[in-house]
Parts: sequence; C-alpha cells; structure tokens
Amino acid sequence: NAGVTQTPKFQVLKTGQSMTLQCAQDMNHNSMYWYRQDPGMGLRLIYYSASEGTTDKGEVPNGYNVSRLNKREFSLRLESAAPSQTSVYFCATTTGDRVTGELFFGEGSRLTVL
Amino acid sequence: RKEVEQDPGPFNVPEGATVAFNCTYSNSASQSFFWYRQDCRKEPKLLMSVYSSGNEDGRFTAQLNRASQYISLLIRDSKLSDSATYLCAVNRMDSSYKLIFGSGTRLLVRP
Repeated sequence: NAGVTQTPKFQVLKTGQSMTLQCAQDMNHNSMYWYRQDPGMGLRLIYYSASEGTTDKGEVPNGYNVSRLNKREFSLRLESAAPSQTSVYFCATTTGDRVTGELFFGEGSRLTVL
Repeated sequence: RKEVEQDPGPFNVPEGATVAFNCTYSNSASQSFFWYRQDCRKEPKLLMSVYSSGNEDGRFTAQLNRASQYISLLIRDSKLSDSATYLCAVNRMDSSYKLIFGSGTRLLVRP
C-alpha cells in the first residue's frame, strides 16, 4: 500500500549538475503533479500531467523538464541545477475529482544545490 | 499579488482554545476550496473540503464567503496534536484540474 513513492528522498548537487527525481503511484490515478515548497512561498506547481502522454506547465516551470513515462510514473529533471532550485519537491496524484479535491502526496525529496 | 493568500502566523494558543484562520483568493473563477494540514517535514494531507453551505467535521468547521472571496477554518477545543501548518487550496474551473496553494498558516498549541 505504497501510494505515492518518490526517490531520492535527499540529494545534494553542485551547480550545473543534472538529476532526475522519480515518482511512482500505485493508485491508478490519471493526474500527476510536481510541486516545490520553499519557506514563505507555499507549494508552487512546476508541471502537471492530466493523463498519460500529456504534460503542461505550472506556475514555475523554468529550469525543469518532465516525462510521463506511463500511467504510474512521472519524473522531474533538472538539466543544470542552480542554487535557486534548492527546495523540497513533492509529487502528487489525484483522480481529478473536483468535489473531493484530494491530492495524495509523496513524502518529498529534499534537494540542496551548492 | 498572490492568487491565494494566508497569514503565515504563527498562531500560538493554549490547549482548549478556539482559533480561526482565513484564506483569501483573488480569482473569482475559483470553484473548489480545500484545507490541507502539513506536519513539520511531512507531506500535506487533505483536512477537509469547503462547501458553499459550510461544513463541519468534529472540532473543525470550514466556511466559504464568495462575496468577499475568502475561506475560513475554525478549530474548537484545540489539542496539542493540532499543531501544524494549515494550507488552503483553490481550484479554478477555467483551467485543468490543478490546485493552487496558499503559503500556509502555522498553528502552535501549547499545554
């Protein structure tokens, strides 16, 4: 009963390095999201995928790319990491039910860029 | 101006107190409203949806005021375990299903 699994949970990068955050869900949900959370800024949407094969930009997409590999997996890639990308990254998924509105989040990935 | 705004707090209250938070939203097309709870260094989890008529879940009451464009969360008889950050979230009808979050209000309940 894993729900939403993110890897890695912690990562330290040097400026200019690249990395991919992985997210997998076993809830059979269509919609998946990547948010970042910074102190005083709340959760900001980076990219989302309403269904397999589609991706769209959110509020803060610059510096990131995403891949919806299949229904279960949605990855976030930093091609050339910058200190401004130091943050906690959350993957989330939902059925898309506007009434319940429940997003199910992973435990987060804490990224530090030096 | 942020689309969803909250007082960051912290609200520091004694056990048993009643505390209320507000959350304002700027886009009148917002249609769905929610309160999430986030414990320190944990992921957010849905606390409750906010319906037009208001709704209650135990000690928690959520209200929506469309005219003034804000939602509220009232917590009665605060418990130590209520200490957390409370995030409001809104969804617009004019976009694909995505939630816009406020920055959160931190609540500290002291013995």
